[in-house]
Amino acid sequence: QKEVEQNSGPLSVPEGAIASLNCTYSDRGSQSFFWYRQYSGKSPELIMFIYSNGDKEDGRFTAQLNKASQYVSLLIRDSQPSDSATYLCAVNSPTDSNYQLIWGAGTKLIIKP
Amino acid sequence: KAGVTQTPRYLIKTRGQQVTLSCSPISGHRSVSWYQQTPGQGLQFLFEYFSETQRNKGNFPGRFSGRQFSNSRSEMNVSTLELGDSALYLCASSLAGGGSSYNEQFFGPGTRLTVL
Repeated sequence: QKEVEQNSGPLSVPEGAIASLNCTYSDRGSQSFFWYRQYSGKSPELIMFIYSNGDKEDGRFTAQLNKASQYVSLLIRDSQPSDSATYLCAVNSPTDSNYQLIWGAGTKLIIKP
Repeated sequence: KAGVTQTPRYLIKTRGQQVTLSCSPISGHRSVSWYQQTPGQGLQFLFEYFSETQRNKGNFPGRFSGRQFSNSRSEMNVSTLELGDSALYLCASSLAGGGSSYNEQFFGPGTRLTVL
């Protein structure tokens, strides 16, 4: 059973601080990794993806991937109240004949003004 | 480029009825995946269609079925509705879906189904 684990939270972070969200996965053959943001009552929105080990930065967001340790993280710098949402980690894992996205249960992030 | 569209946005049905939900992917995308989301359960994968063929399937009973048309639009059907089927049903569009090691998916707004 392929799994993606996330701390459900809530993770409470003061406004302006760095929010750090973590995700671990079980399948070493996983190829690509995604972070989605989901506001309450809305659908998930893709905010970051990473394919190679190391860091990838996009504005205030940085995705970090460590395939040896099988974890991927998302850092949000200068956190804003509008960043309050549930963050979903998704991992593209091989099946017998193709790939399938495996989803974590999400971490609820609360940014306190 | 227009995003993923889903219709209807809201639906109220009674137990035992059946329902059909529709999803139109982003232009050029050939893969459509369907998910069920309930409070506290996260995203549960239903199935993926690519070029009118079901490519992947989750662990849902046979009451849940789907299909894809030649224009990549997809429909999902739930027969003999149960109270536990009340959920947000999300469709996600991807260029190649599970056929690619990348598999970036873009979600529609969802259909909120309430079963009474």
